Amino acid sequence: SQQGEEDPQALSIQEGENATMNCSYKTSINNLQWYRQNSGRGLVHLILIRSNEREKHSGRLRVTLDTSKKSSSLLITASRAADTASYFCATALYGNNRLAFGKGNQVVVIP
Amino acid sequence: EAGVAQSPRYKIIEKRQSVAFWCNPISGHATLYWYQQILGQGPKLLIQFQNNGVVDDSQLPKDRFSAERLKGVDSTLKIQPAKLEDSAVYLCASRQTSGTPYEQYFGPGTRLTVT
Repeated sequence: SQQGEEDPQALSIQEGENATMNCSYKTSINNLQWYRQNSGRGLVHLILIRSNEREKHSGRLRVTLDTSKKSSSLLITASRAADTASYFCATALYGNNRLAFGKGNQVVVIP
Repeated sequence: EAGVAQSPRYKIIEKRQSVAFWCNPISGHATLYWYQQILGQGPKLLIQFQNNGVVDDSQLPKDRFSAERLKGVDSTLKIQPAKLEDSAVYLCASRQTSGTPYEQYFGPGTRLTVT
């Protein structure tokens, strides 16, 4: 079944640096979403990009989508210690809102 | 707005025992999901409800897992009998039918340990 796959799996950066993580998928999608998960707040929706969009911004987040390469990237600018979390991409097919999640990226931001 | 509520937060049982998890979605959210998240992996959808009807249960191991949403509001997920490989976090999520169509709101999860 279709599934997002993130790369790299783990990232450790200094506070203030940018963090970039990638996601690839196998089939045509309706939209792609990024979620963050940490022990304090559970799984939280960050941003959604539709298949006809190429780039989207939300605060310090920038997501891109390349449907020809079936890949997406999430950029977190000026990282903060509070950004320490696991980040998951999830893809949704046309016709339903079933999400297929990748394995996640562990991001550690060092103060 | 109150979030998705789940209970219990933690559960430890022995294999072959039974366990049930409860979820109360955000008020007004017609769609409810149960996910299983094994350590180190992303969540995997088990079942999706639209009101009190099942939309997708293709990945639910029906020989041991069951779920219901009788009144179209809260939901229960049951495992009977449990196996060691069922150790995971069980997440409940809900979504509006209208408005922002695709965002799902997740509860804190129930961490199940099967010994």
